[in-house]
Amino acid sequence: ETGVTQTPRHLVMGMTNKKSLKCEQHLGHNAMYWYKQSAKKPLELMFVYSLEERVENNSVPSRFSPECPNSSHLFLHLHTLQPEDSALYLCASSPRGRGANTGELFFGEGSRLTVL
Amino acid sequence: GQQVMQIPQYQHVQEGEDFTTYCNSSTTLSNIQWYKQRPGGHPVFLIQLVKSGEVKKQKRLTFQFGEAKKNSSLHITATQTTDVGTYFCAGSAGSTLTFGKGTMLLVSP
Repeated sequence: ETGVTQTPRHLVMGMTNKKSLKCEQHLGHNAMYWYKQSAKKPLELMFVYSLEERVENNSVPSRFSPECPNSSHLFLHLHTLQPEDSALYLCASSPRGRGANTGELFFGEGSRLTVL
Repeated sequence: GQQVMQIPQYQHVQEGEDFTTYCNSSTTLSNIQWYKQRPGGHPVFLIQLVKSGEVKKQKRLTFQFGEAKKNSSLHITATQTTDVGTYFCAGSAGSTLTFGKGTMLLVSP
């Protein structure tokens, strides 16, 4: 149990579907993150929320839409995805948000997404 | 932008042999973190280094941060099969934490 819970763990969707990934942290942290992990690539930071405010958006295509309704919950809404979007999507939280030392990242177990 | 290079990409050792992975940043870092990801798992935080020249140990693992705060290493002494996984460094400069591609370690019994 990492304190960061992601659902669903596995998701298969067609390119015309709309789905959402959910992340919940029970650690009282101030920052939450979405990362994409593809084979043979570094972990790619997608979005950062600090105190429920989006503070970073790394040129992610608009077919990925994040939502942070409160400091404990983070969603990633998916629509009209492409096969190359298939990857492991990892949610993480950290004690602090922007700044020189965010503290360690606590990762969830990830949502394995396959786009057909 | 900031780049973090990690070598080697892959290493296969016999149980009992030592292992080292190296991390180099294109910019000076405020701190560096190390994570381990077991096969099929998620990254788990190992340690954070902040000071120039810092050395920290966790049992058989030794972490170093370079004097210039642009490079770091993780050394495992006498590897065990439980050490299998991918080891990532992540460097922080300002508000950005940038991950390396990781070094995948395989340990044969």
